[in-house]
Amino acid sequence: SQQGEEDPQALSIQEGENATMNCSYKTSINNLQWYRQNSGRGLVHLILIRSNEREKHSGRLRVTLDTSKKSSSLLITASRAADTASYFCATDASGANSKLTFGKGITLSVRP
Amino acid sequence: DSGVTQTPKHLITATGQRVTLRCSPRSGDLSVYWYQQSLDQGLQFLIQYYNGEERAKGNILERFSAQQFPDLHSELNLSSLELGDSALYFCASSPQSGRSEQFFGPGTRLTVL
Repeated sequence: SQQGEEDPQALSIQEGENATMNCSYKTSINNLQWYRQNSGRGLVHLILIRSNEREKHSGRLRVTLDTSKKSSSLLITASRAADTASYFCATDASGANSKLTFGKGITLSVRP
Repeated sequence: DSGVTQTPKHLITATGQRVTLRCSPRSGDLSVYWYQQSLDQGLQFLIQYYNGEERAKGNILERFSAQQFPDLHSELNLSSLELGDSALYFCASSPQSGRSEQFFGPGTRLTVL
C-alpha cells in the first residue's frame, strides 16, 4: 500500500512559473524524501527533510514538512522544460525496519 | 549517473520461466534495496539487504528471492513468471540501513510474454 499520496496527480505549467506539489502520509516518519523520475529511467534523489525540520532549500527546490498534518510540499521555482518528469515523495517510517514507501507520483509538464 | 549498475537493461521471457537480475551498488554502500514499478501498483519496495543480511521485507512474492554477496552485489531471482510480473525492477543503494537518501540504478525492464 502507498504511504505517501501526492497531489495533484498531474500538473502542467509554463516555463518560468513555479510548481507546487503536495504529499500526505499516514504514519510517523524519520524523514521524507522527494525523488524525480524521467520517463522510464531510474529515480534521482532531490531532497531529504527530517522529521524535526520544517523547511529545507536546495537550489530552486524548497520543501516544507508539517508533521502535525502529516504533509509535505515541494516547490520548484522558475521551472524549466528540463523539469518535466514524474515526482515522488517517499517516507522513511519510524521503527527498526526502515524502508522507503513511495507515493504514486505527480507528472509535471513544463511547456516551453 | 548514480553509480549503481543493473544488468540486463531489458529482459524478455515467457511465462513459467526463471530470471536473475543483477545489481552492483555504489562503491562503499552496504545497503541494497529492490523495487518493482508497474503502472497499476506504482513503485513497490520488495526487499533490502545490508552487508549481506536481509534487513527488511516488503511486498515480495514467495516466487521471488534475493541475496547479497560478500562483494556486496545483489541478485533478484524471479521464478514461475507470470504476465503480471512484467515491470521495471530497480535496485538502489545507500551507505547505511535506511535514514538516508537512496541512489537508484537505471532499472531492468522485464517483459513476460
